[in-house]
Amino acid sequence: AQTVTQSQPEMSVQEAETVTLSCTYDTSESDYYLFWYKQPPSRQMILVIRQEAYKQQNATENRFSVNFQKAAKSFSLKISDSQLGDAAMYFCAYRSGNTGNQFYFGTGTSLTVIP
Amino acid sequence: EPEVTQTPSHQVTQMGQEVILRCVPISNHLYFYWYRQILGQKVEFLVSFYNNEISEKSEIFDDQFSVERPDGSNFTLKIRSTKLEDSAMYFCASQQMGVRAFFGQGTRLTVV
Repeated sequence: AQTVTQSQPEMSVQEAETVTLSCTYDTSESDYYLFWYKQPPSRQMILVIRQEAYKQQNATENRFSVNFQKAAKSFSLKISDSQLGDAAMYFCAYRSGNTGNQFYFGTGTSLTVIP
Repeated sequence: EPEVTQTPSHQVTQMGQEVILRCVPISNHLYFYWYRQILGQKVEFLVSFYNNEISEKSEIFDDQFSVERPDGSNFTLKIRSTKLEDSAMYFCASQQMGVRAFFGQGTRLTVV
């Protein structure tokens, strides 16, 4: 089975600064997708950003961007200009290419934003 | 943006009781999932459902668990005889073709 590892249980960042959350994964597949989900205190899982493995270009969504290193099986999330509302648990997730396949989640990184 | 809706938001049940968690997936979605998250731990896959049958299940999803889509709209997870270790947040998700799965807001199950 695929594994997803988030080595930073907790991170903190000053408001308006930039923070990078790490994620590595292990797979033998070539066709897959990677995701970052945000889980605020409300507990809803919110998609932040996704990356298709076949795309070399790193995905970007406003203040959120990823550094996808396929050979290294690394998928980090960069949050620029951090805001108080960014405080949440962030989960990295993997899904293989076929629709309907399950997500594999990492253990999460709890992000605190310091005013 | 479309939403997956889960009810109730919080359920308290006595050990040994049956509980049914309900989910209304996004209409026209084809794939349905249940995940759970024990407090402080990662989100774990339970089961996926497609074309009115289970397509994949994890080892967590034992005989105490069942899923069904009784009326073409609701997607339910039943736990027949709850145990203390079933206490968790349960997330429903649905997906059309393609990449993105939409998650509900979760049901917090507390077994006492």
